[in-house]
Amino acid sequence: QQQVKQSPQSLIVQKGGIPIINCAYENTAFDYFPWYQQFPGKGPALLIAIRPDVSEKKEGRFTISFNKSAKQFSLHIMDSQPGDSATYFCAARNQGGKLIFGQGTELSVKP
Amino acid sequence: ETGVTQTPRHLVMGMTNKKSLKCEQHLGHNAMYWYKQSAKKPLELMFVYNFKEQTENNSVPSRFSPECPNSSHLFLHLHTLQPEDSALYLCASSQEASGGTGNEQFFGPGTRLTVL
Repeated sequence: QQQVKQSPQSLIVQKGGIPIINCAYENTAFDYFPWYQQFPGKGPALLIAIRPDVSEKKEGRFTISFNKSAKQFSLHIMDSQPGDSATYFCAARNQGGKLIFGQGTELSVKP
Repeated sequence: ETGVTQTPRHLVMGMTNKKSLKCEQHLGHNAMYWYKQSAKKPLELMFVYNFKEQTENNSVPSRFSPECPNSSHLFLHLHTLQPEDSALYLCASSQEASGGTGNEQFFGPGTRLTVL
């Protein structure tokens, strides 16, 4: 119930491609779904987040799609660049403020 | 210094050593967190402090001992660790340890711990 399942574990795309990372959850009490980006040697940094009453949120080249009925959400990166190469984590927050993280996706964008 | 800082950035210790990790947040937050990050695994929440009071201990072994002297500082005291405790230890802070708008968690760069 408290798990967040993330896929794929790793992803390689060419520059300009649109990588898509998917997450699924079970607990319908989660009220906030952030995505974090982590570069080597750094801590995770909040990238974009969505609430379950919204089906899509876009910030720059990053878009979250949210399907409440399917209990799934995904991150799309438009016009991906080599600088986007990082590990991406989805998460879900319960009403007590606790974040449950997915396993992470290592993205590599080739020039 | 801005954001969340952690020291040391790297630590190598033997199983009989005692060491401490330090975290400081410069964001005026009231909640602080310790996470363990191991390769290919989700971040694991270890401890939560809200207004200096521990509100969560996620079944962490007693060889890890947290201390929160004030809302800006968080320590993790380590003793008689095992090799499987080798990981990246991340500190985070947020306005409060609860849900609500704007209550995002901000992470430090982590301490890479190796236990020999």
